[in-house]
Amino acid sequence: RKEVEQDPGPFNVPEGATVAFNCTYSNSASQSFFWYRQDCRKEPKLLMSVYSSGNEDGRFTAQLNRASQYISLLIRDSKLSDSATYLCVVNPEGGYNKLIFGAGTRLAVHP
Amino acid sequence: DTGVSQDPRHKITKRGQNVTFRCDPISEHNRLYWYRQTLGQGPEFLTYFQNEAQLEKSRLLSDRFSAERPKGSFSTLEIQRTEQGDSAMYLCASSLEAGRGHYYGYTFGSGTRLTVV
Repeated sequence: RKEVEQDPGPFNVPEGATVAFNCTYSNSASQSFFWYRQDCRKEPKLLMSVYSSGNEDGRFTAQLNRASQYISLLIRDSKLSDSATYLCVVNPEGGYNKLIFGAGTRLAVHP
Repeated sequence: DTGVSQDPRHKITKRGQNVTFRCDPISEHNRLYWYRQTLGQGPEFLTYFQNEAQLEKSRLLSDRFSAERPKGSFSTLEIQRTEQGDSAMYLCASSLEAGRGHYYGYTFGSGTRLTVV
Protein backbone atom coordinates (compact mmCIF):
# COMPACT_ATOMS: atom_id res chain seq x y z
CA ARG A 1 0.00 0.00 0.00
CA LYS A 2 1.33 3.43 -0.92
CA GLU A 3 1.92 5.86 1.93
CA VAL A 4 -0.19 8.55 0.26
CA GLU A 5 -2.95 7.63 -2.17
CA GLN A 6 -4.87 9.89 -4.51
CA ASP A 7 -7.32 9.42 -7.33
CA PRO A 8 -5.20 10.14 -10.44
CA GLY A 9 -8.09 11.66 -12.37
CA PRO A 10 -8.18 13.38 -14.71
CA PHE A 11 -10.98 15.60 -13.54
CA ASN A 12 -12.38 17.51 -16.51
CA VAL A 13 -14.58 20.37 -15.33
CA PRO A 14 -16.02 23.55 -16.88
CA GLU A 15 -14.99 26.98 -15.72
CA GLY A 16 -16.89 27.98 -12.63
CA ALA A 17 -17.36 24.43 -11.36
CA THR A 18 -16.56 23.24 -7.87
CA VAL A 19 -14.25 20.26 -7.69
CA ALA A 20 -13.01 18.20 -4.75
CA PHE A 21 -9.94 16.02 -4.43
CA ASN A 22 -9.37 13.41 -1.78
CA CYS A 23 -6.29 11.79 -0.38
CA THR A 24 -5.60 9.12 2.22
CA TYR A 25 -2.38 8.47 4.11
CA SER A 26 -1.24 5.34 5.86
CA ASN A 27 0.98 6.60 8.70
CA SER A 28 -1.29 7.59 11.57
CA ALA A 29 1.62 9.37 13.28
CA SER A 30 2.05 11.83 10.40
CA GLN A 31 2.47 15.37 11.60
CA SER A 32 2.18 17.84 8.74
CA PHE A 33 0.04 17.94 5.64
CA PHE A 34 0.10 20.00 2.48
CA TRP A 35 -1.33 20.40 -0.99
CA TYR A 36 1.14 21.21 -3.75
CA ARG A 37 0.40 22.22 -7.29
CA GLN A 38 2.53 21.07 -10.21
CA ASP A 39 2.23 22.39 -13.74
CA CYS A 40 3.32 20.22 -16.65
CA ARG A 41 7.11 19.71 -16.62
CA LYS A 42 7.57 22.22 -13.80
CA GLU A 43 8.55 21.90 -10.17
CA PRO A 44 5.94 21.43 -7.43
CA LYS A 45 4.85 24.57 -5.61
CA LEU A 46 3.15 24.82 -2.25
CA LEU A 47 -0.53 25.58 -2.60
CA MET A 48 -1.47 25.44 1.06
CA SER A 49 -0.83 23.72 4.34
CA VAL A 50 -3.63 21.66 5.85
CA TYR A 51 -4.66 22.05 9.47
CA SER A 52 -6.91 19.93 11.63
CA SER A 53 -9.38 22.77 11.98
CA GLY A 54 -9.60 23.16 8.21
CA ASN A 55 -8.36 26.20 6.39
CA GLU A 56 -9.30 28.34 3.46
CA ASP A 57 -7.32 30.46 1.04
CA GLY A 58 -9.53 32.31 -1.39
CA ARG A 59 -11.26 29.73 -3.57
CA PHE A 60 -9.35 26.84 -1.99
CA THR A 61 -10.42 24.97 1.14
CA ALA A 62 -8.43 22.16 2.74
CA GLN A 63 -9.66 19.73 5.36
CA LEU A 64 -7.91 17.12 7.46
CA ASN A 65 -9.56 14.19 9.22
CA ARG A 66 -6.93 12.55 11.40
CA ALA A 67 -9.26 9.78 12.58
CA SER A 68 -9.90 8.65 9.01
CA GLN A 69 -6.41 9.66 7.80
CA TYR A 70 -8.04 11.62 5.03
CA ILE A 71 -7.22 14.97 3.45
CA SER A 72 -9.33 16.93 1.01
CA LEU A 73 -9.02 19.96 -1.23
CA LEU A 74 -12.02 21.88 -2.53
CA ILE A 75 -11.68 24.34 -5.39
CA ARG A 76 -14.59 26.67 -5.95
CA ASP A 77 -15.30 28.71 -9.10
CA SER A 78 -12.63 26.89 -11.14
CA LYS A 79 -10.50 28.95 -13.48
CA LEU A 80 -8.69 27.84 -16.60
CA SER A 81 -5.46 28.63 -14.76
CA ASP A 82 -6.29 26.01 -12.12
CA SER A 83 -5.49 23.27 -14.66
CA ALA A 84 -2.58 21.38 -13.14
CA THR A 85 -1.72 18.30 -11.09
CA TYR A 86 -2.51 18.57 -7.39
CA LEU A 87 -0.22 16.64 -5.10
CA CYS A 88 -1.22 15.54 -1.62
CA VAL A 89 1.83 15.68 0.64
CA VAL A 90 2.49 14.31 4.10
CA ASN A 91 5.42 14.81 6.44
CA PRO A 92 5.48 11.75 8.66
CA GLU A 93 7.87 13.28 11.17
CA GLY A 94 6.77 16.86 11.60
CA GLY A 95 9.11 19.74 11.05
CA TYR A 96 9.98 19.84 7.41
CA ASN A 97 12.23 16.92 6.68
CA LYS A 98 11.31 14.50 3.97
CA LEU A 99 7.99 14.93 2.27
CA ILE A 100 5.91 11.99 1.08
CA PHE A 101 4.01 12.83 -2.09
CA GLY A 102 0.98 11.19 -3.57
CA ALA A 103 1.01 10.50 -7.30
CA GLY A 104 -1.18 13.53 -7.92
CA THR A 105 -4.62 14.26 -9.28
CA ARG A 106 -4.85 15.91 -12.69
CA LEU A 107 -7.33 18.72 -13.14
CA ALA A 108 -8.32 20.10 -16.53
CA VAL A 109 -10.62 23.13 -16.53
CA HIS A 110 -12.22 23.87 -19.89
CA PRO A 111 -14.10 26.93 -21.17
CA ASP B 1 17.92 35.10 -8.91
CA THR B 2 17.36 34.07 -5.30
CA GLY B 3 15.65 30.74 -6.00
CA VAL B 4 17.00 27.19 -6.05
CA SER B 5 19.11 26.61 -9.15
CA GLN B 6 19.76 23.26 -10.75
CA ASP B 7 22.18 22.44 -13.52
CA PRO B 8 21.90 21.10 -16.13
CA ARG B 9 18.21 21.41 -16.97
CA HIS B 10 18.37 18.42 -19.27
CA LYS B 11 20.85 15.57 -19.62
CA ILE B 12 20.84 12.73 -22.12
CA THR B 13 23.34 10.00 -21.46
CA LYS B 14 24.12 6.51 -22.64
CA ARG B 15 23.50 3.56 -20.38
CA GLY B 16 26.54 2.83 -18.26
CA GLN B 17 27.84 6.40 -18.19
CA ASN B 18 28.23 8.44 -15.02
CA VAL B 19 26.34 11.71 -14.59
CA THR B 20 26.54 14.48 -12.02
CA PHE B 21 23.93 17.11 -11.23
CA ARG B 22 24.39 20.29 -9.26
CA CYS B 23 22.02 22.16 -6.97
CA ASP B 24 22.55 25.66 -5.58
CA PRO B 25 20.09 26.29 -2.76
CA ILE B 26 18.78 29.61 -1.54
CA SER B 27 21.85 31.08 0.13
CA GLU B 28 20.61 31.33 3.72
CA HIS B 29 18.98 27.88 3.68
CA ASN B 30 20.71 25.24 5.80
CA ARG B 31 18.73 22.23 4.59
CA LEU B 32 18.94 20.72 1.14
CA TYR B 33 16.88 17.84 -0.23
CA TRP B 34 16.99 15.63 -3.31
CA TYR B 35 13.91 13.99 -4.83
CA ARG B 36 13.30 11.92 -7.95
CA GLN B 37 10.11 12.09 -9.99
CA THR B 38 9.12 9.64 -12.73
CA LEU B 39 6.29 10.15 -15.17
CA GLY B 40 2.87 9.95 -13.57
CA GLN B 41 4.24 9.79 -10.04
CA GLY B 42 4.85 12.29 -7.31
CA PRO B 43 8.38 13.17 -6.24
CA GLU B 44 10.12 10.51 -4.11
CA PHE B 45 12.49 11.53 -1.34
CA LEU B 46 16.11 10.50 -1.88
CA THR B 47 18.22 12.26 0.75
CA TYR B 48 18.68 15.45 2.72
CA PHE B 49 21.47 17.51 4.26
CA GLN B 50 21.62 19.79 7.26
CA ASN B 51 24.53 22.06 6.34
CA GLU B 52 27.21 19.62 5.14
CA ALA B 53 25.91 16.60 7.06
CA GLN B 54 23.85 14.02 5.17
CA LEU B 55 21.17 13.15 7.72
CA GLU B 56 18.99 10.65 5.91
CA LYS B 57 19.12 8.50 2.80
CA SER B 58 16.20 6.66 1.26
CA ARG B 59 16.53 3.01 0.36
CA LEU B 60 15.88 4.29 -3.17
CA LEU B 61 19.39 5.71 -3.09
CA SER B 62 21.28 2.63 -4.23
CA ASP B 63 25.04 2.35 -4.05
CA ARG B 64 25.23 3.79 -7.58
CA PHE B 65 23.95 7.09 -6.22
CA SER B 66 25.98 9.46 -4.10
CA ALA B 67 25.21 12.94 -2.90
CA GLU B 68 27.51 15.49 -1.33
CA ARG B 69 27.31 18.95 0.09
CA PRO B 70 30.95 19.58 0.94
CA LYS B 71 30.80 23.12 2.26
CA GLY B 72 27.20 23.27 3.28
CA SER B 73 26.29 25.33 0.24
CA PHE B 74 25.79 23.70 -3.17
CA SER B 75 25.20 19.97 -3.53
CA THR B 76 25.97 17.39 -6.18
CA LEU B 77 24.16 14.18 -6.98
CA GLU B 78 26.14 11.59 -8.93
CA ILE B 79 24.75 8.50 -10.57
CA GLN B 80 27.29 5.90 -11.62
CA ARG B 81 26.72 3.30 -14.34
CA THR B 82 23.37 4.77 -15.31
CA GLU B 83 20.49 2.47 -16.17
CA GLN B 84 17.38 3.19 -18.21
CA GLY B 85 15.36 3.05 -15.00
CA ASP B 86 17.26 6.10 -13.76
CA SER B 87 15.47 8.24 -16.34
CA ALA B 88 13.51 10.76 -14.28
CA MET B 89 13.34 14.34 -13.13
CA TYR B 90 15.75 14.98 -10.27
CA LEU B 91 14.49 17.76 -8.03
CA CYS B 92 16.40 19.68 -5.41
CA ALA B 93 14.77 21.70 -2.65
CA SER B 94 16.05 23.81 0.21
CA SER B 95 14.68 25.24 3.43
CA LEU B 96 15.76 27.09 6.54
CA GLU B 97 15.46 24.99 9.66
CA ALA B 98 15.39 27.44 12.53
CA GLY B 99 15.17 24.96 15.39
CA ARG B 100 12.27 23.73 17.51
CA GLY B 101 10.54 22.43 14.42
CA HIS B 102 10.33 25.84 12.81
CA TYR B 103 11.18 25.95 9.15
CA TYR B 104 10.85 28.46 6.39
CA GLY B 105 10.74 28.69 2.67
CA TYR B 106 10.74 25.07 1.45
CA THR B 107 11.44 25.74 -2.22
CA PHE B 108 12.01 23.42 -5.15
CA GLY B 109 14.34 24.03 -8.05
CA SER B 110 13.24 23.51 -11.64
CA GLY B 111 14.84 20.08 -11.74
CA THR B 112 17.24 18.18 -13.98
CA ARG B 113 15.55 15.91 -16.47
CA LEU B 114 17.69 12.82 -17.10
CA THR B 115 17.17 10.55 -20.06
CA VAL B 116 19.23 7.37 -20.25
CA VAL B 117 19.32 5.83 -23.72
